[in-house]
Amino acid sequence: SQKIEQNSEALNIQEGKTATLTCNYTNYSPAYLQWYRQDPGRGPVFLLLIRENEKEKRKERLKVTFDTTLKQSLFHITASQPADSATYLCALDIDNDMRFGAGTRLTVKP
Amino acid sequence: NAGVTQTPKFQVLKTGQSMTLQCAQDMNHEYMSWYRQDPGMGLRLIHYSVGAGITDQGEVPNGYNVSRSTTEDFPLRLLSAAPSQTSVYFCASEDPSSYEQYFGPGTRLTVT
Repeated sequence: SQKIEQNSEALNIQEGKTATLTCNYTNYSPAYLQWYRQDPGRGPVFLLLIRENEKEKRKERLKVTFDTTLKQSLFHITASQPADSATYLCALDIDNDMRFGAGTRLTVKP
Repeated sequence: NAGVTQTPKFQVLKTGQSMTLQCAQDMNHEYMSWYRQDPGMGLRLIHYSVGAGITDQGEVPNGYNVSRSTTEDFPLRLLSAAPSQTSVYFCASEDPSSYEQYFGPGTRLTVT
């Protein structure tokens, strides 16, 4: 069966450092992978999409990589700020069925 | 644009009651979907629709019905509520040009 795993439930880092979140998947070859941010009590908000033929994508302080051989995506936030504290979700499209990881709760301490 | 709206924000039901969660979007998106989110389990797809008159099941459809009579609206019906359906429910629509999903603010449902 399809499985999407995000490396840890929670990640704590110091302000200014780079946060790295991992998304691993099994038994599928998605055409693209997405990352979302979710704040408490709110719906997820789209951040980035990376396609299977793209190795890396950047948007401001965000960077996503996609390794289809390892079946892994890494999500980086550089120069992290307390305002980046949130839960980050990865998602894969599996035949019109969007599958989400359980998320990683990131806390950036001042 | 209001984006994706959901009502109600909170609901408490007794076991066996039925209700409809409302979802509407004003972006003219064909693809809409319903998810439930439970602690530690992430978002799970309940039902989705690729356009008016077309719906299909997702990962966890049992106990839920949907219909799509217009592009804008995609209501989710709980036929006979069970405590296992206590969850936060999110509706989403998808921009076909970017595959970006727009989520509503969610409905927190408690079944006692």
